[in-house]
Amino acid sequence: GQQLNQSPQSMFIQEGEDVSMNCTSSSIFNTWLWYKQDPGEGPVLLIALYKAGELTSNGRLTAQFGITRKDSFLNISASIPSDVGIYFCAGHPSRQLTFGSGTQLTVLP
Amino acid sequence: EAQVTQNPRYLITVTGKKLTVTCSQNMNHEYMSWYRQDPGLGLRQIYYSMNVEVTDKGDVPEGYKVSRKEKRNFPLILESPSPNQTSLYFCASSTWTGADTQYFGPGTRLTVL
Repeated sequence: GQQLNQSPQSMFIQEGEDVSMNCTSSSIFNTWLWYKQDPGEGPVLLIALYKAGELTSNGRLTAQFGITRKDSFLNISASIPSDVGIYFCAGHPSRQLTFGSGTQLTVLP
Repeated sequence: EAQVTQNPRYLITVTGKKLTVTCSQNMNHEYMSWYRQDPGLGLRQIYYSMNVEVTDKGDVPEGYKVSRKEKRNFPLILESPSPNQTSLYFCASSTWTGADTQYFGPGTRLTVL
């Protein structure tokens, strides 16, 4: 299957700091999705991107669909304790949805 | 309430004992899918279904079977479970494109001894 490289694998940040994570692919994607998984639960969709260059915000979260269609980033501004969790990028190179390996975010008080 | 339900939530079994994990959605979604989640590997798709009686292999289908006899249900069957199938399993559903919001179930933690 398609490979998505997501980085970083984990992050430890202070409350109030901004966070950035990204995903890259060797092939072109038609959509980019960003999910968050809280402990003990299934992933929940945060942001969906459908066009190259698209920049979309959801509260303190901002994500962009790269111009080359091979990458995407997610920014979280002014982090708070409830931002803790695993963030996954996902994309559609075809009908199949492919997930990155996840970024484990820890927010320190 | 729109939701995806999975049962059981936790299961410990032994090698070779057939098991089924059920998945049901109440959103009339055409697209349903099964994933397994393992540390450092993210979510990997096992099987997906675009509609009733239409199923296809994902990235890691070996050792699994699925069926889609009804739109709302998409059970995952392990005919002869092995220890390397110990994992966290998620069912998900969405509208037919699969690109729209995928709603995930709460997960099933399976341990095969």
